[in-house]
Amino acid sequence: EIVLTQSPGTLSLSPGERATLSCRASQSVGSTYLAWYQQKPGQAPRLLIYATDSRATGIPGRFSGSGSGTDFTLTISGLESEDFAVYFCQHYESSPPRYTFGQGTKLEIK
Amino acid sequence: QVQLQESGPGLVKPSGTLSLTCAVFGASISSGDWWTWVRQPPGKGLEWIGEIHHSGTAHYNASLKSRVTLSVDKSNNQFSLKLTSVTAADTAVYYCVRAYSSALFYWGQGTLVTVSS
Repeated sequence: EIVLTQSPGTLSLSPGERATLSCRASQSVGSTYLAWYQQKPGQAPRLLIYATDSRATGIPGRFSGSGSGTDFTLTISGLESEDFAVYFCQHYESSPPRYTFGQGTKLEIK
Repeated sequence: QVQLQESGPGLVKPSGTLSLTCAVFGASISSGDWWTWVRQPPGKGLEWIGEIHHSGTAHYNASLKSRVTLSVDKSNNQFSLKLTSVTAADTAVYYCVRAYSSALFYWGQGTLVTVSS
């Protein structure tokens, strides 16, 4: 089973700064199968990025995804107040089918 | 606009069965997508429970497989989760989700289920 490790656990930044969140897989994964979610307190997660670098509908352009192999990154360029939340990466395996999640990175206001 | 709505008891006794239903609005459950359950214990991360296709084909998390059953009700455009022999470790917010392209696109708002006597 592939394990996803996110870093850092907590990231403290100020509005306007650039955030770089990391997701490392325990073995190489296909870029088609890596996604990112944002979750705010009391809310369901929201899909931001799928297939490594494709933005979901309605997601602002300041959110971007990149990576390949075992290392993937979510970048938020120019943080806005509503971006402070917890972010999860997710991988899908097709055989057998299953989704696994990273443990999350909390992005907090500095 | 696709909306999913979970419903079911918020409190289940230990050793009992957790039963939840997800009503789907704005999309047909008979589409080619996978209808999924994810849970999140309070203050913790996300755990995939399983997924089901309208054909009835289902896949389960291996750690829960012996206790989980998913089903589809096409006539009412909804799908359901049953989890047996629950313990306090099953206390969580349970989300129903529409999945495709290997990602979880549309989420219900979630429902908290507490296992307690």
